Amino acid sequence: EPEVTQTPSHQVTQMGQEVILRCVPISNHLYFYWYRQILGQKVEFLVSFYNNEISEKSEIFDDQFSVERPDGSNFTLKIRSTKLEDSAMYFCASRRQVKGSVEKLFFGSGTQLSVL
Amino acid sequence: DQQVKQNSPSLSVQEGRISILNCDYTNSMFDYFLWYKKYPAEGPTFLISISSIKDKNEDGRFTVFLNKSAKHLSLHIVPSQPGDSAVYFCAAFTQGGSEKLVFGKGTKLTVNP
Repeated sequence: EPEVTQTPSHQVTQMGQEVILRCVPISNHLYFYWYRQILGQKVEFLVSFYNNEISEKSEIFDDQFSVERPDGSNFTLKIRSTKLEDSAMYFCASRRQVKGSVEKLFFGSGTQLSVL
Repeated sequence: DQQVKQNSPSLSVQEGRISILNCDYTNSMFDYFLWYKKYPAEGPTFLISISSIKDKNEDGRFTVFLNKSAKHLSLHIVPSQPGDSAVYFCAAFTQGGSEKLVFGKGTKLTVNP
């Protein structure tokens, strides 16, 4: 069964450092997301991406965040200068259809980011 | 701003009994609701959904009920099995609007043998 793959599973970084979280969406999917979950909190939408550009972003997704699909298979989330409050589990998700069939949204197993 | 609320962080039931997980929402623009299940070290996986034009949707042991006037939905699992032990997230979105899902905080279900 195809799956969304995220690497690394755990990332520890120092405050102020840049991190790149990597995702390989399912190969024929067209619509990509990043969500995150701070411990004990809800899963929060960060950004959606379609046709090589951001479709929608939340207020969390400020100038410190960026996304890229550099080579047609990877989908990355970069945090330029990490803050303590960026510590969270980051989930990548993808789906084939642009509209509708939201049940067909597949999530990766997440990257646990710890900022020290 | 919690548009989707799951007020019970945890629930414990005996195997074979019914599990009822509750979810409330505040945004009346939501018209599609989903439940996701999440095991440790895995991402959320889709479980069951319901459109606002319905008040019930059933899939095997899982049934979701929607009360639009109360802005409340619930997930019933019957009979509960130990393998159902997981965190359950309620999510909502607006069809034809933003395609982002809005999640609750989750409820950790433990089914005891």
